[in-house]
Amino acid sequence: DAGVIQSPRHEVTEMGQEVTLRCKPISGHDYLFWYRQTMMRGLELLIYFNNNVPIDDSGMPEDRFSAKMPNASFSTLKIQPSEPRDSAVYFCASSLWGPVLESEQFFGPGTRLTVL
Amino acid sequence: QKEVEQNSGPLSVPEGAIASLNCTYSDRVSQSFFWYRQYSGKSPELIMSIYSNGDKEDGRFTAQLNKASQYVSLLIRDSQPSDSATYLCAVQAGDTGRRALTFGSGTRLQVQP
Repeated sequence: DAGVIQSPRHEVTEMGQEVTLRCKPISGHDYLFWYRQTMMRGLELLIYFNNNVPIDDSGMPEDRFSAKMPNASFSTLKIQPSEPRDSAVYFCASSLWGPVLESEQFFGPGTRLTVL
Repeated sequence: QKEVEQNSGPLSVPEGAIASLNCTYSDRVSQSFFWYRQYSGKSPELIMSIYSNGDKEDGRFTAQLNKASQYVSLLIRDSQPSDSATYLCAVQAGDTGRRALTFGSGTRLQVQP
């Protein structure tokens, strides 16, 4: 299996521009998670999906952020308009359905976003 | 108070020594605990999971859990320079069905050759 795939790996944009990050989870995984990592705040959950349905979006910082999962093999995280404070590494992770105690998450390589 | 607390380090140990990494959590009903290793510029990778009180061993790694004290630790025996990385403690909420992880800020480990 190729693992979790994210694109682009690096994104540099200017303040006010729209940014779209993409994720392909591991085939067969039922859960998909979006995390953001910064030096100041560490690794924090933004949103997660189960069977393509958003379950918890309490970590989404504000209305500028939106996430979709149109099918089991694809998800997007969009920031519009982007701001310099959005600069971070964005990780996508996926896991299999199972008893809660066994739901190990596998992370993608991340997208490093820089907003100038 | 942070939900998951770790000493940021760096923790420096000589090659061959035992590295001890510690983590405390605030949610008493947490059920699942994970240790992830993250090399600089890379994504987190799972190295250990533990769900029951006591010790769990996997090769050179031992995870220890004490739910009464809300404490989880990771021991790395015979530390190698390749173990130098940031170790993230993650806790899964005790709420039924909630799969999201809460991460600590990580402890940076340096193994000196």
